Amino acid sequence: EPEVTQTPSHQVTQMGQEVILRCVPISNHLYFYWYRQILGQKVEFLVSFYNNEISEKSEIFDDQFSVERPDGSNFTLKIRSTKLEDSAMYFCASSEEVTLEAFFGQGTRLTVV
Amino acid sequence: SQQGEEDPQALSIQEGENATMNCSYKTSINNLQWYRQNSGRGLVHLILIRSNEREKHSGRLRVTLDTSKKSSSLLITASRAADTASYFCATVGETSGSRLTFGEGTQLTVNP
Repeated sequence: EPEVTQTPSHQVTQMGQEVILRCVPISNHLYFYWYRQILGQKVEFLVSFYNNEISEKSEIFDDQFSVERPDGSNFTLKIRSTKLEDSAMYFCASSEEVTLEAFFGQGTRLTVV
Repeated sequence: SQQGEEDPQALSIQEGENATMNCSYKTSINNLQWYRQNSGRGLVHLILIRSNEREKHSGRLRVTLDTSKKSSSLLITASRAADTASYFCATVGETSGSRLTFGEGTQLTVNP
């Protein structure tokens, strides 16, 4: 069964460093998303991406965040200068259509120290 | 209050019993989805119900939607220990575009 894959599964980084989280969405999907879940809290929407551009972003997705689809398969989330409060599980997701079910990856646990 | 609130926050039942979880939301929706999350793992889509639907079934899952009350329920029948997980409802708003707005989740424990 097709699945969304994310790498790495766990990343530890120093505060102020840049991190890139990587995702391979399901191949025939057109919509891509990033969500995050701070430990013990609800899952929060960060950004959606369609047709090589951001279609929607939340208030969390400020200038330190960026997304890119560098080739036909990868979808990345970059955090330019990490803060302690960026520590969370980051989930990539994809869907065939914008309002249909989203398929989530297993997540990348980001720990900022 | 926030969009997509579940209750109860935690539910503990015996294997074979039914589990019912409820979700309330604030704004008009396009659809409502239920997801499952095993501890520390990704979210698995369970079922989607559109705003013009009232009930939907999938295997041992039954979802209802009451748009007049802005609420939904997820029923898992004949529960198994493997159903132990957190269950989240998530809404796609009529005007919110593509984002899923998640609730706080219900932690379900099914005891063997």
